[in-house]
Amino acid sequence: QVQLVQSGAEVKKPGSSVKVSCKASGGTFSSYAISWVRQAPGQGLEWMGGIIPIFGTANYAQKFQGRVTITTDESTSTAYMELSSLRSEDTAVYYCARAQAGLWFGELNYWGQGTLVTVSS
Amino acid sequence: EIVLTQSPGTLSLSPGERATLSCRASQSVSSSYLAWYQQKPGQAPRLLIYGASSRATGIPDRFSGSGSGTDFTLTISRLEPEDFAVYYCQQYGSSPRGRALTFGGGTKVEIK
Repeated sequence: QVQLVQSGAEVKKPGSSVKVSCKASGGTFSSYAISWVRQAPGQGLEWMGGIIPIFGTANYAQKFQGRVTITTDESTSTAYMELSSLRSEDTAVYYCARAQAGLWFGELNYWGQGTLVTVSS
Repeated sequence: EIVLTQSPGTLSLSPGERATLSCRASQSVSSSYLAWYQQKPGQAPRLLIYGASSRATGIPDRFSGSGSGTDFTLTISRLEPEDFAVYYCQQYGSSPRGRALTFGGGTKVEIK
């Protein structure tokens, strides 16, 4: 059974950066896309970007281009999402999620527990 | 970028009733690339339907998906108490910067 375990909650100052980790276990890591999806309080789901570890190149949503960096460490089956130039509107729960099928970004059938990032001065 | 519009925003129904949720895309979406999720408060989303009409593992058969092109529907044939939640559609397609996923704004199914 695949499990995604994310790092703990963070409180950050405006203008700083945050890096959230997502450790996968129980399945093949390299060939399944990991996406990052965020959810602001009381709001809907927003895809930020994703990466297929074996290819190594991330795709980003236009809204976050230039401000988000998604990477992986295949040796530890861990994905990372770093968001820079934080502002209050970035306060949200950040989820990592794995695609159901290999080598594509489609539907997401395994999700991490979520990481709350609070941006406040 | 494809925009997904879900309607209604809120659906007030009683247990045992039928729920019909709509997801409309701003341009045609391949049926293979349309999914539905359920989210309950404080929980991560759960995949219900993929490929527009295929149920994910462990999803009860009261959940069904249909549609093609720009119009897709999630139907819950008889609402159970545990089905009251928020539902999102999602598509996978291309953008000028490569592959991209987008989500609809969600439909809340609440107890009447």
